[in-house]
Amino acid sequence: GAGVSQTPSNKVTEKGKYVELRCDPISGHTALYWYRQSLGQGPEFLIYFQGTGAADDSGLPNDRFFAVRPEGSVSTLKIQRTERGDSAMYLCASNRGPDTGELFFGEGSRLTVL
Amino acid sequence: RKEVEQDPGPFNVPEGATVAFNCTYSNSASQSFFWYRQDCRKEPKLLMSVYSSGNEDGRFTAQLNRASQYISLLIRDSKLSDSATYLCVVLMNTGFQKLVFGTGTRLLVSP
Repeated sequence: GAGVSQTPSNKVTEKGKYVELRCDPISGHTALYWYRQSLGQGPEFLIYFQGTGAADDSGLPNDRFFAVRPEGSVSTLKIQRTERGDSAMYLCASNRGPDTGELFFGEGSRLTVL
Repeated sequence: RKEVEQDPGPFNVPEGATVAFNCTYSNSASQSFFWYRQDCRKEPKLLMSVYSSGNEDGRFTAQLNRASQYISLLIRDSKLSDSATYLCVVLMNTGFQKLVFGTGTRLLVSP
């Protein structure tokens, strides 16, 4: 079956612009996670959804970052007033829920803010 | 202190060598532990879980020491295809169960 799908795969934008990154998880996976990975670093947790609700958004760096999952499937990560420091690979992952150690990652969306 | 710490490497080893990676974690309430593998410019993928009694999968052996809050991964008879970054991952109970990744240890296996 299809894996986790993320679009766009690459996004180049200018400082101050608004960006949306989309994630389509594996069908039937109720848990969805967003991570951010900078070069030479491990994935950094941003937010976790169980169904439609954000169960933990403690990793969002500031209020410019917001994510939604209105129907419990596709999720969108939204970044307002982008800054150069937001440049990174944004990874989405899904699984069947907590207590599950295996995350299935998408190929990521590489964001570059000029 | 980082929640999960690893030596970033790189570890440069010849084919056939045995190499070991270590990882320490700060939260003693952590419940489960994993090693993920990430190839260059690819997404991370689960390599193996780490069980309290230690576990082996082919050339790979993982061990956990809860008292020292330490996890290890041993790779025997290294292959060129083992070249990758190995991420130590800890499942932490922080209200909900959050998977926290280490920085990763880069392994380069040369002919």
